[in-house]
Amino acid sequence: AQSVTQLGSHVSVSEGALVLLRCNYSSSVPPYLFWYVQYPNQGLQLLLKYTTGATLVKGINGFEAEFKKSETSFHLTKPSAHMSDAAEYFCAVSLLTGGGNKLTFGTGTQLKVEL
Amino acid sequence: EPEVTQTPSHQVTQMGQEVILRCVPISNHLYFYWYRQILGQKVEFLVSFYNNEISEKSEIFDDQFSVERPDGSNFTLKIRSTKLEDSAMYFCASMDRQGSEQYFGPGTRLTVT
Repeated sequence: AQSVTQLGSHVSVSEGALVLLRCNYSSSVPPYLFWYVQYPNQGLQLLLKYTTGATLVKGINGFEAEFKKSETSFHLTKPSAHMSDAAEYFCAVSLLTGGGNKLTFGTGTQLKVEL
Repeated sequence: EPEVTQTPSHQVTQMGQEVILRCVPISNHLYFYWYRQILGQKVEFLVSFYNNEISEKSEIFDDQFSVERPDGSNFTLKIRSTKLEDSAMYFCASMDRQGSEQYFGPGTRLTVT
């Protein structure tokens, strides 16, 4: 079984400041890890994913995340926040099993960007 | 760029009525999913579908729910007798043969009154 914990349901940063959204996972086998963004009244858009290989992954809109197996973490960062980054962010995990590959989501972090 | 589409965008129904939510996955994808998100809560897995059968379902996906791929393009979720607690945003997703990334549709907001 897999699970995801996102610490901080709400994060507020100033425009231009570092964004750090935390995600820890639990998985019995090597996981696939994902960050999705959801803008108000819209669907889920993939920001980035880790499957295998390089542990630092870069995504769209300047976001990146680092897979740290020893810490079971996959925190999302962006060096400089922009007003357009205000949205809800979901971390998700899936397992390398057969056809299912269901995603298990965290509870989400609402990012607010202030002037 | 290919995308997953869902219809309708918003469905209002009375308790006890049947609803069918429709999805058109990306054309060469083989794996299909339904998720739901109750307002203010996290996205929850409902069911996955591959090779014309359910491959996995959650405890939420009880006998009131069913899925079907009636033709080569549509993927539907049916709720036989809706309850108030079925009110949620329902997302369809699809994944290709390589199987690492699910592509989500924009969702259908279901409101049960």
